[in-house]
Amino acid sequence: QQQVKQSPQSLIVQKGGISIINCAYENTAFDYFPWYQQFPGKGPALLIAIRPDVSEKKEGRFTISFNKSAKQFSLHIMDSQPGDSATYFCAASGSNDYKLSFGAGTTVTVRA
Amino acid sequence: NAGVTQTPKFQVLKTGQSMTLQCAQDMNHNSMYWYRQDPGMGLRLIYYSASEGTTDKGEVPNGYNVSRLNKREFSLRLESAAPSQTSVYFCASSVTLQGPNSPLHFGNGTRLTVT
Repeated sequence: QQQVKQSPQSLIVQKGGISIINCAYENTAFDYFPWYQQFPGKGPALLIAIRPDVSEKKEGRFTISFNKSAKQFSLHIMDSQPGDSATYFCAASGSNDYKLSFGAGTTVTVRA
Repeated sequence: NAGVTQTPKFQVLKTGQSMTLQCAQDMNHNSMYWYRQDPGMGLRLIYYSASEGTTDKGEVPNGYNVSRLNKREFSLRLESAAPSQTSVYFCASSVTLQGPNSPLHFGNGTRLTVT
């Protein structure tokens, strides 16, 4: 039983478009929400992360939106590029629980 | 600067065979982890080591054992492989236990097939 539910499973976007990946959680003790990016044949790498004290965090073309009351958070990839084609995992953990719960992953394909 | 190195990259085993997956990190991290990645399941924690000399079970430890050989190395052993253990295995490390100031650094994985 996954503690973090991620959707969609895959998406295709045209170059320059916006990719949106959504995640939901139930455990109210979660207070750290990272996103990991994984290229084929490689291990995941931290992309961006957010804490519940802010509703949005932006790093370059990547933005996390966080809705604490709805227990949802999402990743937006603006101006998507072919180099963004990868699998993206949302995750969550609590202050006193260092074990990350990962979502199932979303494979993003950016068409040139 | 290699980061986290896993060996082997690929392995095929027959049911009942044993093998050890090796992992080494050169970042002087204290904590190390073993995850498995299966389609539609994300990454699931098998075992972790908070620091040299300690190991603890994660979410899916059955059928596996680990050894924290020293600060750099953390191995995963399958004593009697089963087809359900067919997966991609990732080793990871972090400065201290995973958190906002201590993200995970992953190796490139070992793809294991058990027939």
